[in-house]
Amino acid sequence: DQQVKQNSPSLSVQEGRISILNCDYTNSMFDYFLWYKKYPAEGPTFLISISSIKDKNEDGRFTVFLNKSAKHLSLHIVPSQPGDSAVYFCAARYFGNEKLTFGTGTRLTIIP
Amino acid sequence: DAGVTQSPTHLIKTRGQQVTLRCSPKSGHDTVSWYQQALGQGPQFIFQYYEEEERQRGNFPDRFSGHQFPNYSSELNVNALLLGDSALYLCASSLILGGEQFFGPGTRLTVL
Repeated sequence: DQQVKQNSPSLSVQEGRISILNCDYTNSMFDYFLWYKKYPAEGPTFLISISSIKDKNEDGRFTVFLNKSAKHLSLHIVPSQPGDSAVYFCAARYFGNEKLTFGTGTRLTIIP
Repeated sequence: DAGVTQSPTHLIKTRGQQVTLRCSPKSGHDTVSWYQQALGQGPQFIFQYYEEEERQRGNFPDRFSGHQFPNYSSELNVNALLLGDSALYLCASSLILGGEQFFGPGTRLTVL
């Protein structure tokens, strides 16, 4: 049962443009969502998070949007840079539970 | 400040053997979680250790066991290895009761 889904295995975006990565979830108990970035031969690195009491969180070039009614979140990267090329994982957890449930990841490629 | 470290980097075993993977948490962290990432999948939660006890467990068989030492480092043991146990094993550390999970680079286990 895949509770966190990333339906796009890959995405290619021109340098300088906006990258939009999407994530859907099915478990209504999830109340905290995170995005991780992973380079080859490295562990996932935390990027940005959002609590279910918010619908937007911004950190520099990265913005995460949460639509609770649709059980959908998205990560926007503006402007996209070559160093953003990596696999991006969406993850979720709920209060009192530190277990992270991950999606299958989206490989983002930024084209110079 | 050293981040999360894992050893070994790579490991090759045959079916039926046993394996032990090691993890040292980030300085100041007291909680260690283990994840299995199969090829093309997101990390799957195995279990979490705090105060030398297993605090939470994911949907993994008893062949997967662990230990946490007084210095907060941890081991993951897998008995009776199956071909399907081939994966990247990630260790993550955090402060208990929330906070970001910091991941190590992982141990790549191949079972032949």
